[in-house]
Amino acid sequence: DTAVSQTPKYLVTQMGNDKSIKCEQNLGHDTMYWYKQDSKKFLKIMFSYNNKELIINETVPNRFSPKSPDKAHLNLHINSLELGDSAVYFCASSQDLITEQYFGPGTRLTVT
Amino acid sequence: GQQLNQSPQSMFIQEGEDVSMNCTSSSIFNTWLWYKQDPGEGPVLLIALYKAGELTSNGRLTAQFGITRKDSFLNISASIPSDVGIYFCAGRSGSSNTGKLIFGQGTTLQVKP
Repeated sequence: DTAVSQTPKYLVTQMGNDKSIKCEQNLGHDTMYWYKQDSKKFLKIMFSYNNKELIINETVPNRFSPKSPDKAHLNLHINSLELGDSAVYFCASSQDLITEQYFGPGTRLTVT
Repeated sequence: GQQLNQSPQSMFIQEGEDVSMNCTSSSIFNTWLWYKQDPGEGPVLLIALYKAGELTSNGRLTAQFGITRKDSFLNISASIPSDVGIYFCAGRSGSSNTGKLIFGQGTTLQVKP
């Protein structure tokens, strides 16, 4: 059973398009996150949600809009994609805001 | 902003050798986590540390939460080829109640059979 899953695995799109990445966790966790990993493998938090409530928006452009329809899902919608958005995006979850986080397999976004 | 300095940046070792890597912070952390990332995969949690001075093992891996709460190290004993990957430390500030983890730059480990 996959604990944290993301779709799609790969996403190639053109500048200016709008796209979404979906994330689901079956661990029964209350908290979910989105991270961005750049070409140098540096991981940086973008958002955290606790019980469907936004906790962190780490100075991410408002073209990025997370949505949590329920505690098991946290989707990421990106408007007007730019070349600099190309990266690997990871979803993660944890039982609460202070326990260890478990990561999904990642979505490699390429904007051309 | 808060930063973690992870070293070394990369290591190339012979199978069977022991490995040590560490992370330091300019501020106090109340949680240290160590992850391993294989190519094309997400980071996988190896060890979680929650108390200063805590020493925890997971098979051939051992990690310690520094007594000053500003550092942590990870040791891998008797390395094998499947240990290859990128190892990340991650920490959570003592003042954070947002779940935010700060990651180190990663240590790339290569093991020669």
